[in-house]
Amino acid sequence: DSGVTQTPKHLITATGQRVTLRCSPRSGDLSVYWYQQSLDQGLQFLIQYYNGEERAKGNILERFSAQQFPDLHSELNLSSLELGDSALYFCASSVGGAWQETQYFGPGTRLLVL
Amino acid sequence: ELKVEQNPLFLSMQEGKNYTIYCNYSTTSDRLYWYRQDPGKSLESLFVLLSNGAVKQEGRLMASLDTKARLSTLHITAAVHDLSATYFCGGGGADGLTFGKGTHLIIQP
Repeated sequence: DSGVTQTPKHLITATGQRVTLRCSPRSGDLSVYWYQQSLDQGLQFLIQYYNGEERAKGNILERFSAQQFPDLHSELNLSSLELGDSALYFCASSVGGAWQETQYFGPGTRLLVL
Repeated sequence: ELKVEQNPLFLSMQEGKNYTIYCNYSTTSDRLYWYRQDPGKSLESLFVLLSNGAVKQEGRLMASLDTKARLSTLHITAAVHDLSATYFCGGGGADGLTFGKGTHLIIQP
């Protein structure tokens, strides 16, 4: 158990809908990272937040947005969902904002868009 | 744009043997990561390599980095069944992380 929690574990929704994925980092960790894993795209970095501020942006679609709240939990919002958004979404956390730190991954949220 | 290539993508080997997974990357990368993923599970960070010539070892796994050749290797010594998993390498700078496609490793008794 990494100490990173993600909810929900599974999510089934329809095209065009909007969903919110939640991540709680390990106690004391200030950075949260979001990743998407799908058969088509493989593993992709989406976005990083550090202490409430966006730190780095990867292959995140404009239909997706994220934020980190004062209590350091983070939410990833996916809107106008398409079939291709079906994937496993991981968040990870680390102590600081530096990329050379070890990241601890949550169990993931499996999203299925029908 | 950084591209990361792993090979092989699939590897079946016997217990007790040694083998190496290779990770090539296309442009300068500040760091190189290795991760492990068990089927249906999340990712586990194995190594973070920061400088040329860096070598890190944990149990039967050893990772190294050659920044001049833009190559990292993950060497498995005397493989055991418990090491069966998918291994990803990733590289990047301040703007994020790019992963390889993963090496699916099966170690047969």
